[in-house]
This record gives sequence, C-alpha cells and structure tokens, in this order.
Amino acid sequence: DSGVTQTPKHLITATGQRVTLRCSPRSGDLSVYWYQQSLDQGLQFLIQYYNGEERAKGNILERFSAQQFPDLHSELNLSSLELGDSALYFCASSVEMGQFTDTQYFGPGTRLTVL
Amino acid sequence: QKEVEQDPGPLSVPEGAIVSLNCTYSNSAFQYFMWYRQYSRKGPELLMYTYSSGNKEDGRFTAQVDKSSKYISLFIRDSQPSDSATYLCAMSSGANSKLTFGKGITLSVRP
Repeated sequence: DSGVTQTPKHLITATGQRVTLRCSPRSGDLSVYWYQQSLDQGLQFLIQYYNGEERAKGNILERFSAQQFPDLHSELNLSSLELGDSALYFCASSVEMGQFTDTQYFGPGTRLTVL
Repeated sequence: QKEVEQDPGPLSVPEGAIVSLNCTYSNSAFQYFMWYRQYSRKGPELLMYTYSSGNKEDGRFTAQVDKSSKYISLFIRDSQPSDSATYLCAMSSGANSKLTFGKGITLSVRP
C-alpha cells in the first residue's frame, strides 16, 4: 500500500457527463501528479500541483481541470466526457521539492468507463 | 516516432530465468531513467532509478543505461513468480521535466 488513496475505484458514466476524481496524497507529501493510462497511449502525465499551486501541465485536455486544496487533497474534474476518455486515472504524490525525479508514490487508480 | 519505445510483449519465462527488458528513446535530452513495476489492478511503483549512463544494481535487479545508443535495460536475475507484473520504463530530461513512459511490457514468470 503506497499510502495514496483514490476514490472512487470505478466510475461508469455516459458521454457528455462530468465526473470528479479524488486523491489524498501520502501524509506529508506536498506534490500531487495526475496520470491517465490507456491501452493505446500508455501512461501519460496530465498535471502536477505542489502545495496548492499548479506546477506543470502535460497532455491535459481543456475539458479536464484539477485543483489541490489547502488540506493537500486533489480533485481531477473531467467534463463533456467522450468514449475515448475511458481509462485508468492515477494520482501520485511525492514528498520532496515537487520535482518529477522525486520518488512518486502512485495510488490504486480510478477506472473510468464512458458509455 | 514515439519518444519512448518499449517491446510490447507479453513475455513469459520459466522461474529462475534471466529476464531482459528494454526501452529505446529518441530524445537525447533524457538524463533520468526509471523502471516502474505495476501489478495487476495496482498503481505503478518505482523499482530502479538511474541518472545518466551506467549500471545500477539492487538485489536481483540491474538497470543499465547506454546514452550513446539511446537504450536502457532492466535485467532480472533468478526471476520469481512474484516478479510477474507489467514493467514500464520512464524518462525525464530534467528534475522539473515531466516523465515520459513506455507503454509497458507484461512479464509472466511460470513456476
């Protein structure tokens, strides 16, 4: 167990809908990363927050947004969902300076299915 | 051409075999190289981390980086059924640069 929690574990929704994925980092970790994993694209970095501030953006669609709250938990919001958004969404956290080369601890993921 | 290419697999070996997992990359700016292991229905976990070229050993695992060939490898000696998982390589050009992952290869070690 990495200490990173993600809810829900599974989410099934319809095209056009909006969902929110939640992540609680390990105790003391200031940095949160969001990743999307699909069979055709593999694991792709979406966005990073460090101590409440957006630190880096990756391949995140404009329909997606995220935030990190004062208690350091983070939420990833996905809107106007399309079939192609079906994937595993992982959150990871790290304790150090929020650098990508810090050891990232991954949560168990949220499996999103868009029908 | 994708920045990071990884043999798609799957790979099945008998227990005790030496396993070689490989990735090639095109971005010569990559300096940090990692291997992650992902068990079924779990998130990835960092296995090995190497900076620049050379070898690094940790128990039964050895990570090798050849920057001149843009090629990295993970060797697993005396493979065990518990090593059955998906292995992903990941790379970064700097501490503040995002990780780029290979698609992963699924390894099955047969008892």
